[in-house]
Amino acid sequence: DAKTTQPNSMESNEEEPVHLPCNHSTISGTDYIHWYRQLPSQGPEYVIHGLTSNVNNRMASLAIAEDRKSSTLILHRATLRDAAVYYCILGTSYGKLTFGQGTILTVHP
Amino acid sequence: NAGVTQTPKFRVLKTGQSMTLLCAQDMNHEYMYWYRQDPGMGLRLIHYSVGEGTTAKGEVPDGYNVSRLKKQNFLLGLESAAPSQTSVYFCASGRPLQGYGYTFGSGTRLTVV
Repeated sequence: DAKTTQPNSMESNEEEPVHLPCNHSTISGTDYIHWYRQLPSQGPEYVIHGLTSNVNNRMASLAIAEDRKSSTLILHRATLRDAAVYYCILGTSYGKLTFGQGTILTVHP
Repeated sequence: NAGVTQTPKFRVLKTGQSMTLLCAQDMNHEYMYWYRQDPGMGLRLIHYSVGEGTTAKGEVPDGYNVSRLKKQNFLLGLESAAPSQTSVYFCASGRPLQGYGYTFGSGTRLTVV
């Protein structure tokens, strides 16, 4: 199974950029890289996803390494509402969707 | 457009009772998933389906059964509930081969006493 590895936790200050790393060394050519976040007592929420090129949306940016074995989720200006568990997962061609432990992001005022 | 709807939202069962959790999506997604999340832990895949009439086991399938008789519905059954199945259950759907993101339901909080 394609797996991802993320740091257990990270901290940031409000209004500063945050870079959340993810390693996925066993990624295959057709796997999409997805990022989700989960607030307490809620279901995971879509953040961003991409295949090869860097992606931007209103929530975040996704930087994908040239060899696709790692990626970084970038929150340009962290707010207190961005405090959550962030999951990096692979959308595989055979359908299995497996979550890792995720990164707990703490944002300090 | 309701997205992914899970019913019920809360349930308390006695050990040995059975129940079915319903997941419904209105986005014409091929892939559907059932996860459980225990306190302080990440999501663990129970079963998933890559299309109507097909199901496959995930990481923690024991004690659960699933059915995907209609494309829009994915049912999770507990035949004989155990306290170890106390958890929050999340359903998700998506179209990964087309590069779309996944949509998650709001969860079902199940307590087995």
